[in-house]
Parts: sequence; structure tokens; C-alpha cells
Amino acid sequence: ETGVTQTPRHLVMGMTNKKSLKCEQHLGHNAMYWYKQSAKKPLELMFVYNFKEQTENNSVPSRFSPECPNSSHLFLHLHTLQPEDSALYLCASSQGEWGTGELFFGEGSRLTVL
Amino acid sequence: GESVGLHLPTLSVQEGDNSIINCAYSNSASDYFIWYKQESGKGPQFIIDIRSNMDKRQGQRVTVLLNKTVKHLSLQIAATQPGDSAVYFCAENRGSGGYQKVTFGTGTKLQVIP
Repeated sequence: ETGVTQTPRHLVMGMTNKKSLKCEQHLGHNAMYWYKQSAKKPLELMFVYNFKEQTENNSVPSRFSPECPNSSHLFLHLHTLQPEDSALYLCASSQGEWGTGELFFGEGSRLTVL
Repeated sequence: GESVGLHLPTLSVQEGDNSIINCAYSNSASDYFIWYKQESGKGPQFIIDIRSNMDKRQGQRVTVLLNKTVKHLSLQIAATQPGDSAVYFCAENRGSGGYQKVTFGTGTKLQVIP
């Protein structure tokens, strides 16, 4: 148990569907992150929220829409996705102040877009 | 562009032997370098970090070496065990202003032979 819980663990959706990924952290951290992990590619940072404010958006297509209602919860809303968006989506949290780079990851949501 | 990367995609080691996983980086301005371990079906897990003003840091059965002259980072695992089988990522932290901005390399898969 890392203290970061992601749901669902697996999701299959069509290109016209709308779905959401959920992340919850029980560590009292102030920063939360979405990373995308595709086969044979480095983890890609998508979004960062610090104290509920979005601080990073790494040129992510608008079909991915993040939401951070409070410091413990993070959502990734998905709509009109493409097959190349199939990947493992990882949520992480960290202490609010800059430090060593220690991120606490959830187990990920495996997304398949048909 | 600036990045971190790993030398080998796969490394096979006999149980009980020492493992050495290598990584090269290009950004001299990085302040922290980190190693993560990702087991099958799980998210990455922080192992150890090293600050750029250090050459060596030791943890439990792990040692990280940093050579800033040649921009090289290595992770040494002593007495490798079957539980060490995983994908290992080197990463760098360029975060500022209250959160971590961690950039990952492509990963080396460590296979421990019983």
C-alpha cells in the first residue's frame, strides 16, 4: 500500500465514450500528478496540481481534462480518445515543497481505447 | 532535448550476485537524481536519491554513484534477490516552487536468475 489509490484499475472504452479516472491519496500531500506510461517509452508527465491549482500542463490534448477538487482527490476526465491513448495512467502525490523527487504512485489505471 | 536515459533495456543477473544498472543524463542543471523500481502490475516505487553535490549514497543493499564529469549515474544492488526483479528507472528532478517535476528515463528490466 502506497497510500495512493486509483480506480478503476482497468478500463475499456470506445472513441466516442466519456469516462473518468479517479485518484485518492491518504498521505496528506499537497501536490498530485498524472503520468502516462506507454510501452517502451519513458513515463510522461501530463499534469501537476499543487494545493489544488494546476501548475503544469505538458501540452496534453484537450481530450484529457484534469480536475482537482481538493488536495486529496484528482480526476482525469476522458472524452473522444484515440487508440494511441491506450496506456497505463499513473497518479502520484508528493510533499508540497520541492525536494528530492520522491513521488508516491498508485498502481495505475490500464486504459484501452477501441 | 535534455533527458535521462538508460544503457540497457534488459539485465540478467544470477541470484546472489551484485547488479549494476547504468544511466546517462544530459542536463547539468538537475539538482536531484532518483532511482525508481517498478514491479509488474504496480506503480513505480522510490528507491534512493542523490543530490548533485554528492558522488555516492548508500541505502539498504543499494548504492547510487554519480559521476558529473561524464554525466553518468549508476545503481548497484548487492546480493541480488528474486524480489529485485523489476524495471528500474533513473530520473531527475527539476521541480521548483513547491512540487516535484520528475523526468524519467526509459527503464532497465532486471531479471534475477534463481
